[in-house]
Amino acid sequence: GQNIDQPTEMTATEGAIVQINCTYQTSGFNGLFWYQQHAGEAPTFLSYNVLDGLEEKGRFSSFLSRSKGYSYLLLKELQMKDSASYLCAVLDRGSTLGRLYFGRGTQLTVWP
Amino acid sequence: SAVISQKPSRDICQRGTSLTIQCQVDSQVTMMFWYRQQPGQSLTLIATANQGSEATYESGFVIDKFPISRPNLTFSTLTVSNMSPEDSSIYLCSVQAQNTEAFFGQGTRLTVV
Repeated sequence: GQNIDQPTEMTATEGAIVQINCTYQTSGFNGLFWYQQHAGEAPTFLSYNVLDGLEEKGRFSSFLSRSKGYSYLLLKELQMKDSASYLCAVLDRGSTLGRLYFGRGTQLTVWP
Repeated sequence: SAVISQKPSRDICQRGTSLTIQCQVDSQVTMMFWYRQQPGQSLTLIATANQGSEATYESGFVIDKFPISRPNLTFSTLTVSNMSPEDSSIYLCSVQAQNTEAFFGQGTRLTVV
């Protein structure tokens, strides 16, 4: 089966740095995605990691350790608009091509 | 990339009725995915829609309740049948090529009264 775990809520202040962790246990692994979802909107893609290491994209970075079943999303120089839910999703190489398993999401609130 | 047009964006429906949600993709894709997102929850896959064959449903979801059509490689519909208040949710369609990001429609916010 698949088990993806991430914290339910986090808070931080403007300008700060926040790290959102995600641990996973899956029967097959073909990559990990991070999505941002503002209230009432569809998820939007942030990052994709398939190899171990850090991927940096502007203020956002994502890290993956396949041996530990662990990833994190790092948000720097936080802005109010970063208040959203952040979803960790694992791509399963199993029975269905492209099958994504989502975590419950981490609701981030950025305070002024 | 892919652009997905999903409609309706929202609806309020009476219990016992059915609603059909449509998704149109601007390119041909092999598989489309239908998700449900209940309030405060993450995305749960309902089914995978394959062109030319029956949809594959996840555990807890059945064809009688959520019939899916996939008449061609750019279009799919999901029907929520015999609705009850527990079906109030956001429904999302998604497409994904192999080993790439998933693209989502704008979502349909359904309220059943």
